[in-house]
Amino acid sequence: AQKVTQAQTEISVVEKEDVTLDCVYETRDTTYYLFWYKQPPSGELVFLIRRNSFDEQNEISGRYSWNFQKSTSSFNFTITASQVVDSAVYFCAPLPSSNFGNEKLTFGTGTRLTIIP
Amino acid sequence: NAGVMQNPRHLVRRRGQEARLRCSPMKGHSHVYWYRQLPEEGLKFMVYLQKENIIDESGMPKERFSAEFPKEGPSILRIQQVVRGDSAAYFCASSPNGMGDTQYFGPGTRLTVL
Repeated sequence: AQKVTQAQTEISVVEKEDVTLDCVYETRDTTYYLFWYKQPPSGELVFLIRRNSFDEQNEISGRYSWNFQKSTSSFNFTITASQVVDSAVYFCAPLPSSNFGNEKLTFGTGTRLTIIP
Repeated sequence: NAGVMQNPRHLVRRRGQEARLRCSPMKGHSHVYWYRQLPEEGLKFMVYLQKENIIDESGMPKERFSAEFPKEGPSILRIQQVVRGDSAAYFCASSPNGMGDTQYFGPGTRLTVL
């Protein structure tokens, strides 16, 4: 069985601060993909990143960075120099290899991030 | 390249009526997924379809809900005899293939049952 945990329900930080959102994924599968999506107040779901379990290199895209550590089953997301537009709910979603072919994403409960101007 | 399109964006139905939600995948995508988001909750998988085939409907309620993805035209999620508990945001996603491809989501349809 798989389990995804986003322990932080809500986070508030002042604009320009850095913030890290945690995601812990437990599985027996050795192969899987991990996704992050953003849901701003307008309600749509925006794809942010897809990583596979064989690639533990950190990834940086502008102010966003992701740290994947297979040993601790964590795939954390950091926003540097946060901006008000970053305010949203952020979801982590794993796709284990046992789901390849039926492609069922299991979303975490999400972390609501509020950036205070 | 247009993204995933869903319509209507907002739908209001009275109890007992039918709701039809439409999803047009991104160009070149042949895999469609439906998810439901209840208020203040995360997304829950409902059904996965390819053209003319239902691949996995394990997340679909057994009664009143059905989905299709015909050879021509959009995918349809149909809810018969809606009840208040069906009020939610319904998201459609598409991907070019399966096997771990990124699923790109549409803007969602917000269903309100009065």
